Amino acid sequence: KQEVTQIPAALSVPEGENLVLNCSFTDSAIYNLQWFRQDPGKGLTSLLLIQSSQREQTSGRLNASLDKSSGRSTLYIAASQPGDSATYLCAVKPSGTYKYIFGTGTRLKVLA
Amino acid sequence: DVKVTQSSRYLVKRTGEKVFLECVQDMDHENMFWYRQDPGLGLRLIYFSYDVKMKEKGDIPEGYSVSREKKERFSLILESASTNQTSMYLCASTHPVAGHNEQFFGPGTRLTVL
Repeated sequence: KQEVTQIPAALSVPEGENLVLNCSFTDSAIYNLQWFRQDPGKGLTSLLLIQSSQREQTSGRLNASLDKSSGRSTLYIAASQPGDSATYLCAVKPSGTYKYIFGTGTRLKVLA
Repeated sequence: DVKVTQSSRYLVKRTGEKVFLECVQDMDHENMFWYRQDPGLGLRLIYFSYDVKMKEKGDIPEGYSVSREKKERFSLILESASTNQTSMYLCASTHPVAGHNEQFFGPGTRLTVL
């Protein structure tokens, strides 16, 4: 059974710092992995989608990597800003299923 | 850009009421999902639909039903609302081919059952 873990559950960093958020999954048979941002009381906003054949994706200050063999993905945020404060979730789509398995998220606070 | 809209941002209902939550997407996506999100439990799949009039139970379908009469609209129905259904409800849609199964979410509906 696929399980997705995000550690740490919460993180506080000073503005300007580069940071890495982690996502681990137990089964490497995945179709894709997606990173989301969620602001309090709001829906999820898609940040990056990595297909199983890809190693990384970039969008602006964000870079997501995927290592299927080790069951890990990282989301790198460069030069963090207070506006980056939110909860970040990753979700895995296992191969051969319509379901997506979500981690419980990392709550990020960037201090001005 | 894909847009997924939900009928209400906040909803307060009484125990035993029938509740309808509606979700509409404007990008001709085939797949639509209903999740609920609770602190400490993350997102849990309630129901999934892969085509008009087609549905599959997710992980927690008890107490819920769904309707998909048109491709763009997916409704979640609470037949008799109970206090343990107080939660944030999130709708999502994907296109399995053109969209590479990227999920797009609506803004969520915060439902409180009194």
